[in-house]
Amino acid sequence: VQLVESGGGLVQPGGSLRLSCAASGFTFNTYEMNWVRQAPGKGLEWVSFISSGGRTIYYADSVKGRFTISRDNAKKSLYLQMNSLRAGDTAIYYCASPMSAGGHWGQGTLVTVSS
Amino acid sequence: DIQMTQSPSSLSASVGDRVTITCRASQGISNYIAWYQQKPGKVPKLLINAASTLQSGVPSRFSGSGSGTDFTLTISSLQPEDVATYYCQSYNSARWTFGQGTKVEIK
Repeated sequence: VQLVESGGGLVQPGGSLRLSCAASGFTFNTYEMNWVRQAPGKGLEWVSFISSGGRTIYYADSVKGRFTISRDNAKKSLYLQMNSLRAGDTAIYYCASPMSAGGHWGQGTLVTVSS
Repeated sequence: DIQMTQSPSSLSASVGDRVTITCRASQGISNYIAWYQQKPGKVPKLLINAASTLQSGVPSRFSGSGSGTDFTLTISSLQPEDVATYYCQSYNSARWTFGQGTKVEIK
């Protein structure tokens, strides 16, 4: 199983970024997926969930209305569109598979929101 | 939403000591709890899922127990390579919740 995130970088407050997570080594289209983040020096925070078919989606209150999770099962890819970014969104963002798929995490991609 | 209260926030113990970290869920989560180890600059590593199932390759000095609301991660004999921050995670719903973390150091 491999999960590879990309798309992080430096963005100004109010800006947008789109993160991607490329999955391999398991039947991606049969499992729900999650995004988890970790601010510098802080703990782990769950961000968002999407069901295997993409019809059921949940967000943490801290990102609701600003972030959008999506997936493309044909491309075995997970996405996180992040809009109206704030300094408090600065973190490493991980995509993570459920326990039923082995509980694997990617290596993470760093998002820095700063002027 | 479920809250996970993890304690202590940090601890210092000697090599060979038995170390215990606890996590309490705000409501019953059956055995839907996992424990992770995170070393500085590294990705969290899954140690235990389903409260007590040790992942392949994880040393047997690590063990987990509990059900319902109270859970424990035990390191039976602390080793220098166990210095890390440990997190519990509930996954009985789609909205995962993590404990605040426990930083383990060697005395």
